Amino acid sequence: AQSVTQPDIHITVSEGASLELRCNYSYGATPYLFWYVQSPGQGLQLLLKYFSGDTLVQGIKGFEAEFKRSQSSFNLRKPSVHWSDAAEYFCAVGVRQAGTALIFGKGTTLSVSS
Amino acid sequence: EAGVAQSPRYKIIEKRQSVAFWCNPISGHATLYWYQQILGQGPKLLIQFQNNGVVDDSQLPKDRFSAERLKGVDSTLKIQPAKLEDSAVYLCASSLDWGANYGYTFGSGTRLTVV
Repeated sequence: AQSVTQPDIHITVSEGASLELRCNYSYGATPYLFWYVQSPGQGLQLLLKYFSGDTLVQGIKGFEAEFKRSQSSFNLRKPSVHWSDAAEYFCAVGVRQAGTALIFGKGTTLSVSS
Repeated sequence: EAGVAQSPRYKIIEKRQSVAFWCNPISGHATLYWYQQILGQGPKLLIQFQNNGVVDDSQLPKDRFSAERLKGVDSTLKIQPAKLEDSAVYLCASSLDWGANYGYTFGSGTRLTVV
């Protein structure tokens, strides 16, 4: 069965510094990959997704992620973090089979210091 | 377009009481999901509907949880009787069709506290 691991529970980054959130997945083939963001009291908002093709994908709010098949990873990056980026970030995996729902990692909480 | 609507936003109940949550998905979305998000964890799928039929309820604690999606639109999730460990945020999501390649739109969730 597929699974998702987000190794970092909590990360603190200075405003203006770069950010990388890690995500590793376990699945026998290339899955669909997603990053979602959740602000306090809100639902999940899709940041970006990878289905196939170019392994570097661009998302909203200046985020990007890179799929690395050899490392089974899909890390999220942002070159310069803003205070409004403080939130919880979830990596999710979807298999290429109709009827199978997304599986989420446990999330990484991002704090931004001034 | 309107988003996924959920109500109530917050609910506090005593253990052994019953509670129900309501979800109205985006118009035209065939697939509806209920996820449970316990504090400090990622969302976990409870049940998935395709129109008004159940696709996957393998992780739904059926001795206390039930869900229905009448007429393939709105859905309700019920817990009876509630336990302390049911304290969580219950998220509803919908997608155009049943595949991970279709984007999920999430509601804001219902935060349940069982005391």
